[in-house]
Amino acid sequence: EIVLTQSPGTLSLSPGERATLSCRASQFFSSAYLAWYQQKPGQAPRLLIYGASTRATGIPDRFSGSGSGPDFTLTISRLEPEDFAVYYCQQYGSSPPFTFGPGTKVDIK
Amino acid sequence: EVQLVQSGPEVTKPGESLKISCKGSGYNSFSTYWIGWVRQRPGKGLEWVGIIYPADSDTRYSPSFQDQVTISVDKSTSTVYLQWSSLKASDTAMYYCARQAEVEPASHFDYWGQGTLVTVSS
Repeated sequence: EIVLTQSPGTLSLSPGERATLSCRASQFFSSAYLAWYQQKPGQAPRLLIYGASTRATGIPDRFSGSGSGPDFTLTISRLEPEDFAVYYCQQYGSSPPFTFGPGTKVDIK
Repeated sequence: EVQLVQSGPEVTKPGESLKISCKGSGYNSFSTYWIGWVRQRPGKGLEWVGIIYPADSDTRYSPSFQDQVTISVDKSTSTVYLQWSSLKASDTAMYYCARQAEVEPASHFDYWGQGTLVTVSS
């Protein structure tokens, strides 16, 4: 089973700042199989990025994904008030289970 | 519009059985998209439970959930189920269903249900 580690656990930033979130896998897998999700309190997760760098439909271009196994990055270029949330990475590059990382909380400084 | 509508919150006792549902609509060919379940315990992260392919009921489980839950499907009603035969307090969580974007089992989730809160308490 691939274990994903996300860092930092919490990122405290101000609106307008740049956020850089990291996701590291315990073993190599193809970068085509890494997704990022956003979850706000009381809501279901929402797909942001898949294939490591492809934005999902309707996702603003301030969100970008990069990297290749085992290190991946989600960047939010300029934080908007609605971007303060928890972000999860997920790998689906090997056989199930398609594990999630523990999450990074982006909160307001 | 793709929608996954889940059944309502449940409050049950340890040892009881339970089946929750997830009904898909708004997309062609319900049978050819894998549907999965994700657990989220209170205040915790997302855990991948398993997925099912409605066309042939091919099911893949996380080892952590194998033998703990059963995923099934009723193609005639476009509904996927998650069931327990004997609940434990540790099963208390929000359970989300989600649709996978690709026809192969290795895929991300592109649409999510609203979640079903399961509370197990004596």
